Amino acid sequence: EVQLVESGGGLVQPGGSLKLSCAASGFSFNSYPMKWVRQAPGKGLEWVASIKRDGSEKYYVDSVKGRFTISRENAKNSLHLQMNSLRAEDTAVYYCARLWSDGTTDHWGQGTLVTVSS
Amino acid sequence: DIQMTQSPSTLSASVGDRVTITCRASQSISNWLAWYQQKPGKAPNLLIYKASSLQSGVPSRFSGSGSGTEFTLTISSLQPDDFASYYCQQYNSYPLTFGGGTKVEIK
Repeated sequence: EVQLVESGGGLVQPGGSLKLSCAASGFSFNSYPMKWVRQAPGKGLEWVASIKRDGSEKYYVDSVKGRFTISRENAKNSLHLQMNSLRAEDTAVYYCARLWSDGTTDHWGQGTLVTVSS
Repeated sequence: DIQMTQSPSTLSASVGDRVTITCRASQSISNWLAWYQQKPGKAPNLLIYKASSLQSGVPSRFSGSGSGTEFTLTISSLQPDDFASYYCQQYNSYPLTFGGGTKVEIK
């Protein structure tokens, strides 16, 4: 069974940093691209970042470029999102998700809440 | 960036109704469109991929159609478990973008 479990969320002050992780199991992690998607409270879904299977290419939404870094450790079946210079508007539930090679997203984690507030 | 416009934003319907949700892309995305269902406090769940392919395990009352810039999600006979929010998402090009969502409520 495919499982994606996010961790690392919490309360952080504006300007602070946080690192999210996503532990993958039940599939060959190094065979799949991955992505992060977020959802602000009461709002819709927003794609944040994606990474190819081998980590060679990374893509970001403009609003996080230069502040967030997506990475993966295939040997540990883990996906990460390093978030720096956090802003109030980054407050959201962050989901990791698995992609097929054509970009279809088929499995999502349960999400982890990040709250940026003083 | 490709903008995805979803309508309606809210839909009131009864069990057994046929429901249609529309998603329009600001430019052609071929058939690179997915539909997701999301229930409160839960992660999204893939219903349809490549505009019209039904994800494994999803009931056949769900169907998708369209290509280019106009797409629809149809629920042929609304069931109690279907009251939820629905989102379209294009994956033709980066940045990946979602529609604003449609909340299907009980009439």
